[in-house]
Amino acid sequence: RKEVEQDPGPFNVPEGATVAFNCTYSNSASQSFFWYRQDCRKEPKLLMSVYSSGNEDGRFTAQLNRASQYISLLIRDSKLSDSATYLCVVNTDSGTYKYIFGTGTRLKVLA
Amino acid sequence: DGGITQSPKYLFRKEGQNVTLSCEQNLNHDAMYWYRQDPGQGLRLIYYSQIVNDFQKGDIAEGYSVSREKKESFPLTVTSAQKNPTAFYLCASAVALGPYEQYFGPGTRLTVT
Repeated sequence: RKEVEQDPGPFNVPEGATVAFNCTYSNSASQSFFWYRQDCRKEPKLLMSVYSSGNEDGRFTAQLNRASQYISLLIRDSKLSDSATYLCVVNTDSGTYKYIFGTGTRLKVLA
Repeated sequence: DGGITQSPKYLFRKEGQNVTLSCEQNLNHDAMYWYRQDPGQGLRLIYYSQIVNDFQKGDIAEGYSVSREKKESFPLTVTSAQKNPTAFYLCASAVALGPYEQYFGPGTRLTVT
């Protein structure tokens, strides 16, 4: 089983739709959680950190469920510019802090 | 403007040649990392450094070497011993080793033929 798993997609949604991605992680000792956005052939850019209480930034909402070991990202009112790959990243302290990257979920927002 | 720079953006080399990828940051971050990304795979850690003159191997360090002589700089050398060097190489930094956000440079796309 992979340490961090994401549905690769693609998720094809119309403009204005709400879309949600989940990411599961296997190590219960994981400390911190992040969502990154990566455009084609570019570097990952931090979208948001995911806190235990959940957090919201404009149209984006992230949630953490430690009991079931998953994090989620909700995008409301999708824009064409939201089309990208969304990477789930988990930071785990297993002797030393280590970032584990999911392979990403691809989103296409259609006009 | 604070950030991470990597150069060059694209690099082409012949098999058997060593090549050095540059990574510089002016974020005053202590921790720096090198990853490679291959199609359909998550980022894999090559080397990381939490402080000047100290660095540790990541999951796929074979065929690579690094140095950390200055806080701002963490160059990666891809040696001829690396079996499949063609990849997208990403440098990242964080304020320190720990559960902190990482920030990435724009990457270097290396092609070895």
